[in-house]
Amino acid sequence: AQRVTQPEKLLSVFKGAPVELKCNYSYSGSPELFWYVQYSRQRLQLLLRHISRESIKGFTADLNKGETSFHLKKPFAQEEDSAMYYCALTDGNKLVFGAGTILRVKS
Amino acid sequence: GAGVSQSPRYKVAKRGQDVALRCDPISGHVSLFWYQQALGQGPEFLTYFQNEAQLDKSGLPSDRFFAERPEGSVSTLKIQRTQQEDSAVYLCASSLAFTGTGSNQPQHFGDGTRLSIL
Repeated sequence: AQRVTQPEKLLSVFKGAPVELKCNYSYSGSPELFWYVQYSRQRLQLLLRHISRESIKGFTADLNKGETSFHLKKPFAQEEDSAMYYCALTDGNKLVFGAGTILRVKS
Repeated sequence: GAGVSQSPRYKVAKRGQDVALRCDPISGHVSLFWYQQALGQGPEFLTYFQNEAQLDKSGLPSDRFFAERPEGSVSTLKIQRTQQEDSAVYLCASSLAFTGTGSNQPQHFGDGTRLSIL
């Protein structure tokens, strides 16, 4: 079965520190991977997708097929990055989500 | 606002009652999805429409759950004889046409309906 694992429920870092939110997946085939973010009192929104290979709000994510990972990284965390982050993959027409990681950036 | 609109935002019902949740997708979006998000979990797929056709309902947890999109726009998720385990946030998402090959169009989510069954 297709599965997305986010091993950390909570990641707490200081402002200016590097951030890495981990995501591992199991998928038979070539997956399409996404990161979604939910800021406080806002709706779930797309942050980035692996096929775009772009940096959004300073975040990047590289698909590593050998390690079946799609970790989200940012070199210098900002307080406004505090949010819930979900890793997801597409399985046909639907999204399969991980359980999410809360990122807290402390000043 | 051109985003996905869901109503009501909150719904409280007694066990055994029927509920109906509404989703207004982004205009022109062909694909519509329903997800269920239990507390502390990521969203889980329930069902998918392309226009008015329900192409995948593999995620519906029981025959008490029913979804429709009769005119290919607004969708309603109905839960009959609600149980306490139905308490969750129900998310609706829409996207441009799913091509079936290559990259998928990104899904745009609504605010969700928080359902509490007493």
